Amino acid sequence: KQEVTQIPAALSVPEGENLVLNCSFTDSAIYNLQWFRQDPGKGLTSLLLIQSSQREQTSGRLNASLDKSSGRSTLYIAASQPGDSATYLCAVGTTSGTYKYIFGTGTRLKVLA
Amino acid sequence: ETGVTQTPRHLVMGMTNKKSLKCEQHLGHNAMYWYKQSAKKPLELMFVYNFKEQTENNSVPSRFSPECPNSSHLFLHLHTLQPEDSALYLCASSLRQFETQYFGPGTRLLVL
Repeated sequence: KQEVTQIPAALSVPEGENLVLNCSFTDSAIYNLQWFRQDPGKGLTSLLLIQSSQREQTSGRLNASLDKSSGRSTLYIAASQPGDSATYLCAVGTTSGTYKYIFGTGTRLKVLA
Repeated sequence: ETGVTQTPRHLVMGMTNKKSLKCEQHLGHNAMYWYKQSAKKPLELMFVYNFKEQTENNSVPSRFSPECPNSSHLFLHLHTLQPEDSALYLCASSLRQFETQYFGPGTRLLVL
């Protein structure tokens, strides 16, 4: 059974810092992996989607990497801003059994001005 | 705005009530999803519809009944819910199953 873990659960950093959020998964038979952000009381916004054949994806200040063999993905945020404060979720598209996304519990990020 | 809308945004219901949640998208997507988000727990997939056909029921109790009349609309019918069903219910859609998902703002449900 696929399990997705995100560490740390919460993170507080000063503005301008580069930071790394971690996502690990137990079954490497994945279809893809998606990173989302969720603002309080809101739905999820997709940030990056990495196919299982890819190693990384970039969008602006965000870079996501994928290492299937070790069951890890990282989301790198460069030059963090207060507007980046949100909960970041990773979701693993699993191909074991039926097709579905398994979500981690998220990392709650606060960027201090 | 993601292009996925959900109504109502907030709902309070008693355990004997019947209510429905609505999700709508006009993005031309063919896959639609219901998720449940409870405090301190990961987002849980409930149902998946692909081209109006249900392709996934993640062992959801029968007091939750989904309906997908067309590719643009998805409903979640609720009846005789329990207090532990209180949560944020999120709808999402994607062009095809397993592609980038776009989420609605959610319905915050409280069952008394």
